[in-house]
Amino acid sequence: EPEVTQTPSHQVTQMGQEVILRCVPISNHLYFYWYRQILGQKVEFLVSFYNNEISEKSEIFDDQFSVERPDGSNFTLKIRSTKLEDSAMYFCASSSGERAPGEQYFGPGTRLTVT
Amino acid sequence: RKEVEQDPGPFNVPEGATVAFNCTYSNSASQSFFWYRQDCRKEPKLLMSVYSSGNEDGRFTAQLNRASQYISLLIRDSKLSDSATYLCVVNGRDSSYKLIFGSGTRLLVRP
Repeated sequence: EPEVTQTPSHQVTQMGQEVILRCVPISNHLYFYWYRQILGQKVEFLVSFYNNEISEKSEIFDDQFSVERPDGSNFTLKIRSTKLEDSAMYFCASSSGERAPGEQYFGPGTRLTVT
Repeated sequence: RKEVEQDPGPFNVPEGATVAFNCTYSNSASQSFFWYRQDCRKEPKLLMSVYSSGNEDGRFTAQLNRASQYISLLIRDSKLSDSATYLCVVNGRDSSYKLIFGSGTRLLVRP
């Protein structure tokens, strides 16, 4: 069964450093997403991406965040200058996009710890 | 009012029990509805989409009441493996790809 994969599973970084979280969406999916979940809180939408551009983003997704599809398989989330409050589990998801919002399938997540 | 509201539980039930979860959502423009399950420190996994006419998948039945902005999930014949947090999820508005998650209802199935 096709699945979304994410690397690394755990990333520890110092405040102010840049991090790049990587995802490989399901191969025939056209829509890609990032969500995050702070420990003990609910899952929150960050951004959706289609046809090489952002289609929606939340208030959380400010200038410190960017997304990219650098090749035909990877989808990345970059945080330019990490803050302590960026510590969370980051989930990538994808959907076929046949109908909004589609059934979104999530990767196993990257746990980001900012010290 | 929260965008998606759920009873946090926990619901503690014996194996074989029937358990029901409820959820309300605030945006009447939402058009797509889902139940996901999340195990501790794992990703949300799609359990089922929820359709206007109601739908069933094995032991799981989902219902939607648009007038009341209310979604339900019924689990029959609970198994130990059903222990998880159940997330009620809606999309932000018609044609939006953004999913809005509830905080989840925790289910514990005991032997």
